[in-house]
Amino acid sequence: DTGVSQDPRHKITKRGQNVTFRCDPISEHNRLYWYRQTLGQGPEFLTYFQNEAQLEKSRLLSDRFSAERPKGSFSTLEIQRTEQGDSAMYLCASSPPPGQGSEKLFFGSGTQLSVL
Amino acid sequence: QKEVEQNSGPLSVPEGAIASLNCTYSDRGSQSFFWYRQYSGKSPELIMFIYSNGDKEDGRFTAQLNKASQYVSLLIRDSQPSDSATYLCAVKGTASSSNTGKLIFGQGTTLQVKP
Repeated sequence: DTGVSQDPRHKITKRGQNVTFRCDPISEHNRLYWYRQTLGQGPEFLTYFQNEAQLEKSRLLSDRFSAERPKGSFSTLEIQRTEQGDSAMYLCASSPPPGQGSEKLFFGSGTQLSVL
Repeated sequence: QKEVEQNSGPLSVPEGAIASLNCTYSDRGSQSFFWYRQYSGKSPELIMFIYSNGDKEDGRFTAQLNKASQYVSLLIRDSQPSDSATYLCAVKGTASSSNTGKLIFGQGTTLQVKP
């Protein structure tokens, strides 16, 4: 069990560019979540996958954001035409199937995005 | 009204004292409650969870839940400088999250333990 892995750790981009982040959940965790956190705030839910299916997406999430989880393993989060307001820490979390401690979310180290 | 509310602090306590962190939630149907610790620049780390009314103890940490008052707290006994961090309260089982298992977080309370 190597924990939740996220890549890259830091990303600096210019406004208008597209960025993509990757998350590798704990193996056999079928639930995967993306959160966004800004300074002084708690993590804000973005989207949820169960296996390969994206079952929930926050209403706050702009259509510039898209996430995928092909084959139910790793996930990617893409932001198109980045804006300065997208600057935040993007956190990925995973949890096991129901009945196996699924109430506990385990977070990765996050990707810190800075949009200049 | 936010779904989960915490006082942002900072809460400052001397080393060895009891730190008391509080959280209220708006959805009476909430089922599970979590406390995460987050050091500056790091990701949240689960330290306690509680489902039933009353107290749950784990080492120096005690979580307290009062569903009638929609209130959950975290007590840290014998506080150490290494406990200095932001403590996030999270709730699951609200109408918006019961099927997905997602957590709704408060804004966090910053704790400072002074030597």
